[in-house]
Amino acid sequence: EDKVVQSPLSLVVHEGDTVTLNCSYEVTNFRSLLWYKQEKKAPTFLFMLTSSGIEKKSGRLSSILDKKELFSILNITATQTGDSAVYLCAVGVMEYGNKLVFGAGTILRVKS
Amino acid sequence: GAVVSQHPSRVICKSGTSVKIECRSLDFQATTMFWYRQFPKQSLMLMATSNEGSKATYEQGVEKDKFLINHASLTLSTLTVTSAHPEDSSFYICSAMDRNTGELFFGEGSRLTVL
Repeated sequence: EDKVVQSPLSLVVHEGDTVTLNCSYEVTNFRSLLWYKQEKKAPTFLFMLTSSGIEKKSGRLSSILDKKELFSILNITATQTGDSAVYLCAVGVMEYGNKLVFGAGTILRVKS
Repeated sequence: GAVVSQHPSRVICKSGTSVKIECRSLDFQATTMFWYRQFPKQSLMLMATSNEGSKATYEQGVEKDKFLINHASLTLSTLTVTSAHPEDSSFYICSAMDRNTGELFFGEGSRLTVL
Protein backbone atom coordinates (compact mmCIF):
# COMPACT_ATOMS: atom_id res chain seq x y z
CA GLU A 1 0.00 0.00 0.00
CA ASP A 2 1.33 3.43 -0.95
CA LYS A 3 2.14 5.54 2.10
CA VAL A 4 3.24 9.14 2.74
CA VAL A 5 4.22 10.18 6.26
CA GLN A 6 4.78 13.76 7.34
CA SER A 7 6.43 14.99 10.50
CA PRO A 8 5.99 16.75 12.76
CA LEU A 9 2.19 16.70 12.84
CA SER A 10 2.16 20.21 14.28
CA LEU A 11 4.65 22.90 15.08
CA VAL A 12 4.55 26.27 16.83
CA VAL A 13 7.38 28.74 16.24
CA HIS A 14 8.05 32.43 16.64
CA GLU A 15 8.36 34.90 13.80
CA GLY A 16 11.85 34.84 12.36
CA ASP A 17 12.52 31.20 13.17
CA THR A 18 13.51 28.67 10.51
CA VAL A 19 11.46 25.50 10.22
CA THR A 20 12.03 22.20 8.46
CA LEU A 21 9.11 19.97 7.55
CA ASN A 22 9.67 16.34 6.67
CA CYS A 23 7.99 13.97 4.27
CA SER A 24 8.89 10.33 3.80
CA TYR A 25 7.23 7.93 1.42
CA GLU A 26 6.87 4.33 0.39
CA VAL A 27 5.19 3.99 -2.97
CA THR A 28 5.42 1.89 -6.07
CA ASN A 29 5.95 3.64 -9.41
CA PHE A 30 7.12 6.98 -8.00
CA ARG A 31 6.60 9.87 -10.40
CA SER A 32 6.97 13.09 -8.40
CA LEU A 33 6.71 14.67 -4.97
CA LEU A 34 4.69 17.81 -4.45
CA TRP A 35 4.33 20.28 -1.61
CA TYR A 36 1.16 22.30 -1.03
CA LYS A 37 0.10 24.96 1.44
CA GLN A 38 -3.48 24.85 2.66
CA GLU A 39 -4.87 27.78 4.61
CA LYS A 40 -8.64 27.91 4.47
CA LYS A 41 -9.84 26.19 1.37
CA ALA A 42 -7.97 24.70 -1.52
CA PRO A 43 -4.29 23.77 -1.31
CA THR A 44 -1.98 26.03 -3.24
CA PHE A 45 0.93 24.57 -5.13
CA LEU A 46 4.43 25.19 -3.81
CA PHE A 47 6.89 22.80 -5.45
CA MET A 48 7.07 19.73 -7.61
CA LEU A 49 10.20 17.60 -7.28
CA THR A 50 11.19 14.81 -9.58
CA SER A 51 14.98 14.63 -9.35
CA SER A 52 17.16 13.88 -6.35
CA GLY A 53 19.46 16.48 -4.88
CA ILE A 54 18.20 19.50 -6.80
CA GLU A 55 16.95 22.23 -4.49
CA LYS A 56 13.96 24.25 -5.57
CA LYS A 57 13.56 27.73 -4.10
CA SER A 58 10.81 30.27 -4.00
CA GLY A 59 11.50 33.24 -1.78
CA ARG A 60 11.91 32.04 1.78
CA LEU A 61 10.77 28.52 0.91
CA SER A 62 12.97 25.76 -0.43
CA SER A 63 12.64 22.04 -0.89
CA ILE A 64 14.78 19.09 -1.85
CA LEU A 65 14.14 15.44 -2.64
CA ASP A 66 16.22 12.36 -1.80
CA LYS A 67 15.00 9.46 -3.91
CA LYS A 68 17.49 7.06 -2.39
CA GLU A 69 16.33 7.61 1.16
CA LEU A 70 12.75 8.27 0.04
CA PHE A 71 12.14 11.60 1.70
CA SER A 72 11.84 15.30 1.11
CA ILE A 73 12.15 18.39 3.29
CA LEU A 74 10.50 21.76 3.04
CA ASN A 75 12.39 24.64 4.63
CA ILE A 76 10.93 27.98 5.54
CA THR A 77 13.35 30.67 6.70
CA ALA A 78 12.53 33.89 8.56
CA THR A 79 8.99 32.68 9.19
CA GLN A 80 6.12 35.14 9.24
CA THR A 81 2.62 34.84 10.69
CA GLY A 82 1.32 34.49 7.14
CA ASP A 83 3.18 31.20 6.88
CA SER A 84 0.74 29.69 9.37
CA ALA A 85 -1.04 26.93 7.48
CA VAL A 86 -1.22 23.20 6.92
CA TYR A 87 1.58 22.00 4.68
CA LEU A 88 0.73 18.94 2.64
CA CYS A 89 3.17 16.59 0.98
CA ALA A 90 1.89 14.41 -1.86
CA VAL A 91 3.55 11.78 -3.97
CA GLY A 92 2.49 11.25 -7.55
CA VAL A 93 2.39 7.63 -8.60
CA MET A 94 1.94 6.13 -12.01
CA GLU A 95 -1.21 4.09 -11.68
CA TYR A 96 -4.15 4.29 -14.07
CA GLY A 97 -2.45 7.40 -15.41
CA ASN A 98 -1.41 9.52 -12.46
CA LYS A 99 -2.65 9.87 -8.92
CA LEU A 100 -1.51 11.65 -5.79
CA VAL A 101 -1.15 10.08 -2.36
CA PHE A 102 -1.27 12.70 0.38
CA GLY A 103 0.38 12.74 3.77
CA ALA A 104 -1.58 13.83 6.82
CA GLY A 105 -0.05 17.29 6.74
CA THR A 106 1.95 19.42 9.18
CA ILE A 107 0.10 22.20 10.96
CA LEU A 108 2.43 25.18 11.31
CA ARG A 109 1.59 28.08 13.56
CA VAL A 110 3.84 31.12 13.59
CA LYS A 111 3.41 33.38 16.60
CA SER A 112 4.20 37.08 16.47
CA GLY B 1 -1.29 31.21 -12.84
CA ALA B 2 -3.56 28.40 -13.85
CA VAL B 3 -7.06 28.47 -12.39
CA VAL B 4 -9.44 25.69 -11.52
CA SER B 5 -13.00 26.74 -10.86
CA GLN B 6 -15.22 24.61 -8.66
CA HIS B 7 -18.93 25.21 -8.32
CA PRO B 8 -20.90 25.45 -6.13
CA SER B 9 -18.67 26.46 -3.25
CA ARG B 10 -21.35 25.63 -0.75
CA VAL B 11 -24.49 23.55 -1.03
CA ILE B 12 -27.10 22.42 1.46
CA CYS B 13 -29.53 19.70 0.43
CA LYS B 14 -32.09 17.35 1.89
CA SER B 15 -31.35 13.71 2.51
CA GLY B 16 -32.17 11.58 -0.52
CA THR B 17 -31.52 14.24 -3.13
CA SER B 18 -28.63 14.33 -5.59
CA VAL B 19 -26.04 17.08 -5.84
CA LYS B 20 -23.74 17.87 -8.75
CA ILE B 21 -20.39 19.60 -8.30
CA GLU B 22 -18.51 20.98 -11.31
CA CYS B 23 -14.78 21.33 -11.74
CA ARG B 24 -13.43 23.41 -14.64
CA SER B 25 -9.92 24.20 -15.72
CA LEU B 26 -10.19 27.77 -16.99
CA ASP B 27 -6.99 28.37 -18.91
CA PHE B 28 -5.50 24.97 -19.57
CA GLN B 29 -6.53 21.55 -20.76
CA ALA B 30 -6.66 18.78 -18.21
CA THR B 31 -6.71 15.21 -19.39
CA THR B 32 -6.80 14.07 -15.77
CA MET B 33 -8.85 15.44 -12.91
CA PHE B 34 -8.98 14.17 -9.36
CA TRP B 35 -11.71 14.27 -6.76
CA TYR B 36 -10.89 14.40 -3.07
CA ARG B 37 -12.84 14.43 0.13
CA GLN B 38 -11.55 16.18 3.22
CA PHE B 39 -12.91 15.73 6.73
CA PRO B 40 -12.29 18.38 9.38
CA LYS B 41 -8.66 18.58 10.46
CA GLN B 42 -7.71 15.71 8.18
CA SER B 43 -5.80 15.42 4.96
CA LEU B 44 -7.18 15.00 1.49
CA MET B 45 -8.52 11.56 0.66
CA LEU B 46 -8.45 10.68 -3.01
CA MET B 47 -11.82 9.40 -4.13
CA ALA B 48 -11.34 8.89 -7.84
CA THR B 49 -9.25 9.73 -10.86
CA SER B 50 -11.15 11.06 -13.83
CA ASN B 51 -9.70 10.77 -17.33
CA GLU B 52 -11.26 12.62 -20.23
CA GLY B 53 -13.36 10.40 -22.39
CA SER B 54 -13.10 7.30 -20.24
CA LYS B 55 -14.54 5.85 -17.06
CA ALA B 56 -13.28 7.14 -13.75
CA THR B 57 -11.03 5.00 -11.59
CA TYR B 58 -12.29 4.80 -8.03
CA GLU B 59 -10.20 4.25 -4.93
CA GLN B 60 -10.93 1.32 -2.70
CA GLY B 61 -13.95 1.85 -0.51
CA VAL B 62 -15.49 4.57 -2.68
CA GLU B 63 -18.88 3.59 -4.12
CA LYS B 64 -18.93 4.34 -7.83
CA ASP B 65 -22.73 4.22 -7.97
CA LYS B 66 -22.99 6.80 -5.23
CA PHE B 67 -20.32 9.18 -6.46
CA LEU B 68 -20.83 9.49 -10.20
CA ILE B 69 -18.01 11.12 -12.09
CA ASN B 70 -18.18 12.39 -15.63
CA HIS B 71 -15.25 13.91 -17.50
CA ALA B 72 -16.88 14.97 -20.72
CA SER B 73 -14.27 17.40 -22.01
CA LEU B 74 -10.69 18.49 -21.47
CA THR B 75 -11.83 21.30 -19.19
CA LEU B 76 -14.77 19.90 -17.25
CA SER B 77 -15.36 17.09 -14.77
CA THR B 78 -18.44 16.66 -12.61
CA LEU B 79 -19.05 14.76 -9.39
CA THR B 80 -22.63 13.82 -8.58
CA VAL B 81 -23.41 12.66 -5.07
CA THR B 82 -26.52 10.54 -5.52
CA SER B 83 -29.14 9.96 -2.84
CA ALA B 84 -27.12 12.03 -0.40
CA HIS B 85 -27.16 11.20 3.29
CA PRO B 86 -25.92 13.25 6.26
CA GLU B 87 -22.73 11.17 6.41
CA ASP B 88 -21.89 12.44 2.93
CA SER B 89 -21.54 15.93 4.36
CA SER B 90 -17.96 16.93 3.75
CA PHE B 91 -15.59 19.21 1.87
CA TYR B 92 -15.05 17.99 -1.68
CA ILE B 93 -12.08 19.29 -3.67
CA CYS B 94 -11.15 18.70 -7.27
CA SER B 95 -7.79 19.11 -8.91
CA ALA B 96 -6.78 19.21 -12.54
CA MET B 97 -3.49 18.22 -14.11
CA ASP B 98 -2.19 20.45 -16.88
CA ARG B 99 -1.65 18.11 -19.83
CA ASN B 100 1.39 20.09 -20.98
CA THR B 101 3.31 20.71 -17.75
CA GLY B 102 2.05 17.97 -15.44
CA GLU B 103 1.41 20.51 -12.70
CA LEU B 104 -1.62 19.99 -10.53
CA PHE B 105 -3.96 22.80 -9.54
CA PHE B 106 -6.80 22.66 -7.05
CA GLY B 107 -10.26 24.07 -7.09
CA GLU B 108 -11.53 26.09 -4.14
CA GLY B 109 -13.57 23.19 -2.86
CA SER B 110 -17.27 22.58 -2.28
CA ARG B 111 -18.75 22.23 1.16
CA LEU B 112 -21.71 19.85 1.09
CA THR B 113 -24.15 19.74 3.99
CA VAL B 114 -26.87 17.11 3.87
CA LEU B 115 -29.73 17.69 6.28
